[in-house]
Amino acid sequence: AQSVSQHNHHVILSEAASLELGCNYSYGGTVNLFWYVQYPGQHLQLLLKYFSGDPLVKGIKGFEAEFIKSKFSFNLRKPSVQWSDTAEYFCAVYTGGGNKLTFGTGTQLKVEL
Amino acid sequence: EPEVTQTPSHQVTQMGQEVILRCVPISNHLYFYWYRQILGQKVEFLVSFYNNEISEKSEIFDDQFSVERPDGSNFTLKIRSTKLEDSAMYFCASSDGGTFDYGYTFGSGTRLTVV
Repeated sequence: AQSVSQHNHHVILSEAASLELGCNYSYGGTVNLFWYVQYPGQHLQLLLKYFSGDPLVKGIKGFEAEFIKSKFSFNLRKPSVQWSDTAEYFCAVYTGGGNKLTFGTGTQLKVEL
Repeated sequence: EPEVTQTPSHQVTQMGQEVILRCVPISNHLYFYWYRQILGQKVEFLVSFYNNEISEKSEIFDDQFSVERPDGSNFTLKIRSTKLEDSAMYFCASSDGGTFDYGYTFGSGTRLTVV
């Protein structure tokens, strides 16, 4: 069965710092990859997704992610974080069948002023 | 922007009681899902529902759980006899084409606390 690992559980950054959140998955076949964000008290929102093509994917709010197939990774990046990026970030993978997503454990990001 | 609406936002129930969590998916969506997140753990798939029947369910979704689309708008998750370990955030989601090109929208969740 597929699984998703997010190694950073809590990240604290100062405003304007660069962000990289790790995501690795275990599945040998074709995958679709997603990053979701959950702001306090709100629903899960899609940040970006990868289906095929250019492995560097740009999403909303200045986020991007790079799919590296050889490393089974899909790390999320942002060059300069803002206080409003404080949220929980989830990586997820879809491998087909039932349309279900498999999520990682999430990373709590706190951005300090 | 269309939203998936979940009610209530927080429910407290006594162990052994039945609870029904409600969701209103986006109106033209065809696929409906329930996920849950136990505090500090990952978001886990529970069940998917299409064409008025369950299309897939996880090991978590045992006989204590059921889903229903009682009318054209609501999608409910029922837990027949709640246990302490059912305490979690439950998320409803819907999608319109069964593939992610069409979008997969989550609700804001119901926090269930079993005491």
